[in-house]
Amino acid sequence: KQEVTQIPAALSVPEGENLVLNCSFTDSAIYNLQWFRQDPGKGLTSLLLIQSSQREQTSGRLNASLDKSSGRSTLYIAASQPGDSATYLCAANYGGSQGNLIFGKGTKLSVKP
Amino acid sequence: EPEVTQTPSHQVTQMGQEVILRCVPISNHLYFYWYRQILGQKVEFLVSFYNNEISEKSEIFDDQFSVERPDGSNFTLKIRSTKLEDSAMYFCASPRVLNTEAFFGQGTRLTVV
Repeated sequence: KQEVTQIPAALSVPEGENLVLNCSFTDSAIYNLQWFRQDPGKGLTSLLLIQSSQREQTSGRLNASLDKSSGRSTLYIAASQPGDSATYLCAANYGGSQGNLIFGKGTKLSVKP
Repeated sequence: EPEVTQTPSHQVTQMGQEVILRCVPISNHLYFYWYRQILGQKVEFLVSFYNNEISEKSEIFDDQFSVERPDGSNFTLKIRSTKLEDSAMYFCASPRVLNTEAFFGQGTRLTVV
């Protein structure tokens, strides 16, 4: 069964710290992986999409990496700010005719001023 | 920037009642999805829709659920006879092309009482 796991479930850091969020997936035959941000009671905001052929993807202070062979992706957030506080979700896409996403449970990030 | 729009943002309904959740996907997108997120749980795939028909559905998407695109712009999810366990956040999503970046709406919070 294809599953996505995110560890830790929650993370609290002081403002300014660099941090890494982890995502692992059981089936390495991934097509792409997408990182989302979710604020409490809100929708999902797409942050980065990383294709299976890529090793890294960057957007501003965010950098996502993908290692298919080990079944892992990381989201690196540089110089964290209180506004980064949210739940971060990763979702695996295995391609094919369905194209649906398989989500992890998320990491709830709290950045303290 | 184009976005996926969902209405209503919150709906409270009595058990056994029918509800219709509405979504307006991004206009040039071809694939449409419904996902749900029970409080504290993972985001789960319900159904995908392409070319005016269901292309894939999960085991959650049983006979009480249906989807349609009634007028070429709206995309609806109908739950015929709601149960308490249908209480969740329902998200509409659309990538422009299959297996590309998925854009999510802000969600409809359904509460069944």
